[in-house]
Formats: sequence, C-alpha cells, structure tokens
Amino acid sequence: DAGITQSPRHKVTETGTPVTLRCHQTENHRYMYWYRQDPGHGLRLIHYSYGVKDTDKGEVSDGYSVSRSKTEDFLLTLESATSSQTSVYFCAIGPGLATDTQYFGPGTRLTVL
Amino acid sequence: RKEVEQDPGPFNVPEGATVAFNCTYSNSASQSFFWYRQDCRKEPKLLMSVYSSGNEDGRFTAQLNRASQYISLLIRDSKLSDSATYLCVVNKFSGGYNKLIFGAGTRLAVHP
Repeated sequence: DAGITQSPRHKVTETGTPVTLRCHQTENHRYMYWYRQDPGHGLRLIHYSYGVKDTDKGEVSDGYSVSRSKTEDFLLTLESATSSQTSVYFCAIGPGLATDTQYFGPGTRLTVL
Repeated sequence: RKEVEQDPGPFNVPEGATVAFNCTYSNSASQSFFWYRQDCRKEPKLLMSVYSSGNEDGRFTAQLNRASQYISLLIRDSKLSDSATYLCVVNKFSGGYNKLIFGAGTRLAVHP
C-alpha cells in the first residue's frame, strides 16, 4: 500500500469554525489531490498540487483552500465550515503527469453541525 | 450530463455468477481508463487499467469501446469478497494537467 496517512480520521465541528485536514505521504510523489465523496456524486476534485507551493483549483473549490509547504504534506482548510461540507474527504497522490494512477489515503469523515 | 455515468445498482448476484458493469464517458479526448474498487467506508483502490485491446486479470475482464465512449467490466465466478462498489474512472487533460474523473460507482453484492 502507498504510504499515505490522513489526520484526523474523524471530526465533528460546528458551522462557522475553521477546519484543517492533513495529508502526509512517504512516497515522494509530486502530485497530491484532495477529493470529497458524497452519495450519488462520486469523488469530486477540490484542489490539487503539482509541487511545493504549486496548487490549483478543482471542480468544487469554493470554501476550501490548500497549502503545500513540503513535498510530503498537503493541507486542506475549510475556512468557515458549513453543513454542506459534511462529507468524506480523501487525499490522493500520483507519481507524475504521465502516470495516471492515483493512490488514496484512508479518508477523513467530517461532520459539520 | 455527468462526465462519467454508471448504473448505481445494486447488482445482487449469487456466488459463482458472472456479472457485467457498464460505464459511459462524455470526453472523447480521454486517453486513460480505469476501474477502481471501493469497499464500504474504505478508500478507492485501483482494480485495473483498461486498454484499447481489452485486458484480463484473472476473473476480471475490462473492455473499451472508444467509438461508443463505453467501458465495461466483467467479473466471472463471483466471490463473496467481490462485494464492493466499482468506480469507473476516466482521465481529463485540462489546464495543462491531467485529472481523473470518477463515476459515482456501481454497487455489487454477492450472496451465498
């Protein structure tokens, strides 16, 4: 299994509070991704990173920001959590543009009350 | 219209059965295709890539029809352990970078 961890694994928070999720990899892969998964929608890309300090938006980026200060860490921040952001969040890594396979972390289950 | 569409199922089949899943995609420029497997409350894991000529991995066979923009997965001799959700995945090259587009998944339940 690819060396990807996510923390926390579960979190319950209240509307309006900021939340930060962490993804850590030990594979030295260049590409890292944050997805959310909701019933009926499949995995939707929030943000991705193609290198340290290089990030870009995905299809559902509103209300989220990311940072990547080291190759191994990719942080996802919900600036002011809303109930619509209740979801399961998955981090994924990929070795490069030419290799499409992505490997996923175990996920973070977030509930916003 | 979703970029990748799958029948959500569930497909309920007995052990030993053969079952087929289909998937359609909208981006004719897509070049890479995959099936991922996701167990309940777990992360998706790559099951197999799908090649133009079709490919087989044990009991699993994947087919691609570019003209119809259609991908299939065939599972022979189903096992209880095959019970999972199967995600159809297609690449999309956008903004200079390659991204994966995931279908919502087809749920398979294999019973004794």
